[in-house]
Amino acid sequence: EAQVTQNPRYLITVTGKKLTVTCSQNMNHEYMSWYRQDPGLGLRQIYYSMNVEVTDKGDVPEGYKVSRKEKRNFPLILESPSPNQTSLYFCASRSRDTGLHDNEQFFGPGTRLTVL
Amino acid sequence: AQTVTQSQPEMSVQEAETVTLSCTYDTSESDYYLFWYKQPPSRQMILVIRQEAYKQQNATENRFSVNFQKAAKSFSLKISDSQLGDAAMYFCAYRRLSGNTGKLIFGQGTTLQVKP
Repeated sequence: EAQVTQNPRYLITVTGKKLTVTCSQNMNHEYMSWYRQDPGLGLRQIYYSMNVEVTDKGDVPEGYKVSRKEKRNFPLILESPSPNQTSLYFCASRSRDTGLHDNEQFFGPGTRLTVL
Repeated sequence: AQTVTQSQPEMSVQEAETVTLSCTYDTSESDYYLFWYKQPPSRQMILVIRQEAYKQQNATENRFSVNFQKAAKSFSLKISDSQLGDAAMYFCAYRRLSGNTGKLIFGQGTTLQVKP
C-alpha cells in the first residue's frame, strides 16, 4: 500500500530534550515536506526536500532541522524543543512535476507533539 | 507572497442540505493550483477536489464542486446532499505552478458540523 508513515504518533516531552520525528514514504517520491498545524493558522511548511541531500527552509524553520540521506526518509529533528513547538506535525511527499499535471501530495497521519 | 484566507471558522448544515465554504486567495501568479482538503477527527489530510487555474471549467467530484472565480480570486466549495461523514475541518490550499518545492499554502480552516 502506498503510504507515508510517521513515528511517533503522539509524543509528550520536556523543554530542551532533543527529539526526532521520523517520516518514511514507499512511493519513490522526490519531494518531501514537513508542515505544522496550529489552530487559526492552518498548516505551514517547515522544511522541504527536492531530493536526496537537497533540503531547504520553508516558512517556519526556526528550531527545526531535517536531513535527507535516503530518498524514502525525511526525519524532523528538534534539537532543543520549546513549548511554542507544541503542535500537530505532518510529513508529506509527492513525485516530481510532469508538465501541467499536478501530482497529488500524500500526507502522513500526523504527530501530536506536546512540549512541557 | 501568496496568502489564502478562509473567513468562516465554523459552519453548520442540516443533513441532506447544501453548504458552501468560502476561500479567497492572493497571488500575482497566473498559473497555479487550488485544493480543498478534508481533515476528519482522525486528523488524516484527505484531498477532496483540485482546480487548475488555467481551466475555466469548475471541478466536480461527486457531491463536491467548486466555484472558481479567477478574477475575484475566490474558490468556494459546495457540498451537496451533506452527510454525517462530511463533518470535518476543511482547508483551502494554493500551490504555484512554477518552482519545484511543491509547497502548499493553506487557509486557516473551516470546521463543518453536520446536524442529523
